[in-house]
Parts: sequence; structure tokens; C-alpha cells
Amino acid sequence: GAGVSQSPRYKVAKRGQDVALRCDPISGHVSLFWYQQALGQGPEFLTYFQNEAQLDKSGLPSDRFFAERPEGSVSTLKIQRTQQEDSAVYLCASSLGSPYNEQFFGPGTRLTVL
Amino acid sequence: GDSVTQMEGPVTLSEEAFLTINCTYTATGYPSLFWYVQYPGEGLQLLLKATKADDKGSNKGFEATYRKETTSFHLEKGSVQVSDSAVYFCALRSAGSGGYQKVTFGIGTKLQVIP
Repeated sequence: GAGVSQSPRYKVAKRGQDVALRCDPISGHVSLFWYQQALGQGPEFLTYFQNEAQLDKSGLPSDRFFAERPEGSVSTLKIQRTQQEDSAVYLCASSLGSPYNEQFFGPGTRLTVL
Repeated sequence: GDSVTQMEGPVTLSEEAFLTINCTYTATGYPSLFWYVQYPGEGLQLLLKATKADDKGSNKGFEATYRKETTSFHLEKGSVQVSDSAVYFCALRSAGSGGYQKVTFGIGTKLQVIP
């Protein structure tokens, strides 16, 4: 595709529900990143994939957060038993394989937990 | 750890005014520095970058110079337009675990330009 796409764009969940957020990276991009952007804050790193391998998940805030990229393309960020503090915009970015390539960002999924 | 500090907004300017958004950073080694822009309803876009000391990044009339001695990367534009209204993020990129370059963002500065 022309850019990174994310779905849904908006998600409202009741506290305790599980949610799944999808990211479609730019075709051919090896690296994929997830960020969490709380209201009025900058994006904060959650996790990084190179192809299907999750090489860094140090930013995941709790074991309720889980990310996967089973075929090295589409990625899903899953949040179990959502809490109000999980309300944020979740951004996905992708880049070519070199560590120095620019990251291209998707429009984000705005999650609101009631 | 790495960190980026930028001035809090919102910043409100009249059209054709001069813009400065301050940004300072803390990092080990020699990070690359970036400004990203986020227009309403859109994703982050790279505005400009500088990869080493004294480099000047520029794009769309915006400029920023990598100042290692003051650990700063202030964003400037000589004459802002209404279409520049957006949120601006300063960021740095440095080595992370897993062999990739980790990006650390500031909190963002909202710019509103009025006619």
C-alpha cells in the first residue's frame, strides 16, 4: 500500500474487555514498531519486530499487552482486560531493514476505555 | 536513559510571525535528531532531521541546527502560515537493544497560527 494503515481508527471498550489493534505496514518493510501516545504526551515505544521476530518488548507496560507479527507483515497489538489507563492513541510505524532507515507512521488507533 | 525536553504549548502566532520551538536532549553517544509534525487527524510525518553536530536540517521553510555543545535542536521558521498549525515533536534516535535505532520523543508542542 501507499502507507502504513491501522484499524480500527477508533475503538471504545468497556473496562475488562479484550481489544485487538491491527497494523498493515508498508509492503517490503522489515521493521515494525508500536508506540503508545497518551493524551498531551509524545509517543512512547512499546515493542519492535524485525520480520516475525519480536526483538524488543521492553516498553510493554504490563503482561496484559501482547503483540505478534506471525508472517512478518501484518501485526496485531492485543490488550487483555483493558483498564482506563490504557486509553491512548496506539501508533504503528514501519521501516526498511537498516537500523538507520526512516520510520513511517500510521494514523493511529484511538482507544477509549470506559 | 535518553530524553527529550521541548517547550510546552500551545503556541499561538499570527500569520507571518517568526516561530521558535525549543528542544533540548539528553543522550549517550551521538544520536540523530528529528522534528516530526502531526496534522489534525493524520499520522506523524518526518519534517526534518540532522545526523551529526552542526548539521542543519531544513524542509518547507523550517530549519533546525544540531548543537552538540548546548544539546539543542531548536525548530525555527521565518514566516508561519495558517497551514502550519499542527503539533510538533522533537525526537532523537539512538541505539536500542535488538540492533535497531530507538526513537525517543518529546511531549509535543501545539502550534496555532491565526490569520
